[in-house]
Order: sequence, then C-alpha cells, then structure tokens
Amino acid sequence: SQTIHQWPATLVQPVGSPLSLECTVEGTSNPNLYWYRQAAGRGLQLLFYSVGIGQISSEVPQNLSASRPQDRQFILSSKKLLLSDSGFYLCAWSALVAGGYGYTFGSGTRLTVV
Amino acid sequence: AQSVTQLGSHVSVSEGALVLLRCNYSSSVPPYLFWYVQYPNQGLQLLLKYTTGATLVKGINGFEAEFKKSETSFHLTKPSAHMSDAAEYFCAVYSGNTPLVFGKGTRLSVIA
Repeated sequence: SQTIHQWPATLVQPVGSPLSLECTVEGTSNPNLYWYRQAAGRGLQLLFYSVGIGQISSEVPQNLSASRPQDRQFILSSKKLLLSDSGFYLCAWSALVAGGYGYTFGSGTRLTVV
Repeated sequence: AQSVTQLGSHVSVSEGALVLLRCNYSSSVPPYLFWYVQYPNQGLQLLLKYTTGATLVKGINGFEAEFKKSETSFHLTKPSAHMSDAAEYFCAVYSGNTPLVFGKGTRLSVIA
C-alpha cells in the first residue's frame, strides 16, 4: 500500500532561521509530489509540485524553495524564515493506481515562526 | 484552468439534521472530484472521490456526493449530522496532469 511520511509534526523557529521539511513516499514509483500550505483560517495554497527528480514547479513566488533529490523524497526549504511563513504545511502525492488517480496527504507540519 | 467554488464558508446544522455542503467546479476536461475533511490540528482525510462511473459516490462516515455534470456540481450530503462531524470540509478537482485545486473550505458546526 502507498504511504506518505512527513516530519516533523510541529516546529517553532525564530525569524531569520533556516527551514527544512521532509516528505517521503512509499509503495509507489514516479509519483507527482506536492507541497501545500494552509495559513490560519484560510484554505489550501499550492506552493510547489514535482513530476520527477529535479523537476520543480513553483506556484507562488516567495522565500521558500523545494527540491526532489530522489524519486520519492520531496524537501521544502527556506534560508531565512519570515513571520508570514507560519502555517500548516502538507505534503501530498498523486499517481495512477487501481480505480483512478490516488491523491494522498501527509499528516502535516505545523510551523510557527516567532 | 480548473477552479472550485464552495458556497458558504461556515455552515451550522443541528444534530440529526441533514448536512449539505455545496461545491461547484470548473474544468476543461473530465474531472476527478474529491471531498476531504480536516479535524482541528490534523491533516486532510479523504471522505470520498469521483473518478468515473456511478455518479453517486458513497464515502466514509455516512457521507455521499453526487456528480452532476450538467450543473458542474459535486455537493456533499449526510442524512443525519453527528457532533463528531464538526470539522472543515474541502472540495477539490483534479484532471490527472495538473495539481489538485481546492476550494476555500466550509467549516461545519453541529449544534446539540
């Protein structure tokens, strides 16, 4: 079965510090991978998506970046966090599975920038 | 381009009453449609999805949704609300070659 792991679950970071959030997928090959952010009281905003190793599309220009060093690994980074980077970050994958496209989310990382 | 509109950012129902959460979509190709639920401080859980075939889709926790192509709608219903249904609900559309696009969400409150 397909599973997705995302860590850490919670993170408190000072303004100006770096960020690295990691997401790994098991049980599928060549998935599409995504990073979404949910700010307090707001909907889900797509930040980045990747259709393959080293291929990253950015939906919203900001001080965040993403990388896909391996087929099933997706990393969200920042060199210097801003207060506005606080939010709930969700990793997701999609792939064609039996019954159609599967689209599964990780359990999320709640980031608070102080 | 795809888009999703969820009518009503907040819906309040009495326990035992019908739940109806509205979702309309826009897609240039046959869509896959999803409903997700998010409980406080948790990730997204898939309630149900429509890909092809039967237009009435049954999901977990007694929820169901009907795909109506002529109305470009995918409304979520449950005959009888429970207190445990209080959460945020997201409708989403996906065409298979583009990222999942979400509506802004509807917060469901259930009143005892």
